[in-house]
Amino acid sequence: ETGVTQTPRHLVMGMTNKKSLKCEQHLGHNAMYWYKQSAKKPLELMFVYSLEERVENNSVPSRFSPECPNSSHLFLHLHTLQPEDSALYLCASSQVSTAGYGYTFGSGTRLTVV
Amino acid sequence: RKEVEQDPGPFNVPEGATVAFNCTYSNSASQSFFWYRQDCRKEPKLLMSVYSSGNEDGRFTAQLNRASQYISLLIRDSKLSDSATYLCVVGERNNNDMRFGAGTRLTVKP
Repeated sequence: ETGVTQTPRHLVMGMTNKKSLKCEQHLGHNAMYWYKQSAKKPLELMFVYSLEERVENNSVPSRFSPECPNSSHLFLHLHTLQPEDSALYLCASSQVSTAGYGYTFGSGTRLTVV
Repeated sequence: RKEVEQDPGPFNVPEGATVAFNCTYSNSASQSFFWYRQDCRKEPKLLMSVYSSGNEDGRFTAQLNRASQYISLLIRDSKLSDSATYLCVVGERNNNDMRFGAGTRLTVKP
């Protein structure tokens, strides 16, 4: 496999459920990100992991919990979400300090909270 | 003030038209600049990086004006397949702190 893969592609969960989103990158990058994209809004940066260390937590509610076990894998654990958390969740990876190459995104998980 | 601000859309143009998108950014210390394309219900994909000297890739030309903190994207001879949302993206440091504009929607019509 190449690029950045995210699973699942679609997820419907109740407000009391616990679920996890998974992201895997096959590009040898050393930084990974979670973004949230709501309708008609800019992408919102949620978490940044650089060299497996969390370097940014962008005021995200504690019902979202990231995990980065190694440089190729990133998880987003979800619990007691709210309907307003319904959005497209995008994972991305990049090579830190290599300006000019941008991010590579996964296909995203479209989350619906009911 | 928004960190990255783009032209409000949507742009509706006929095939073959030339269309230009503008973007301004607030942080003068920004290091890297990109245009991404996002198709409906898909992930953003890198269209092109933007360099200080300007750069061209086929029908697409990107320009950067650091003094005015302004980026542009010009699309010549628009194709139906160019219909998408174009995202202006600015990197703040070490390429791991990118800020996205809200995007400009382009529809190219026959």
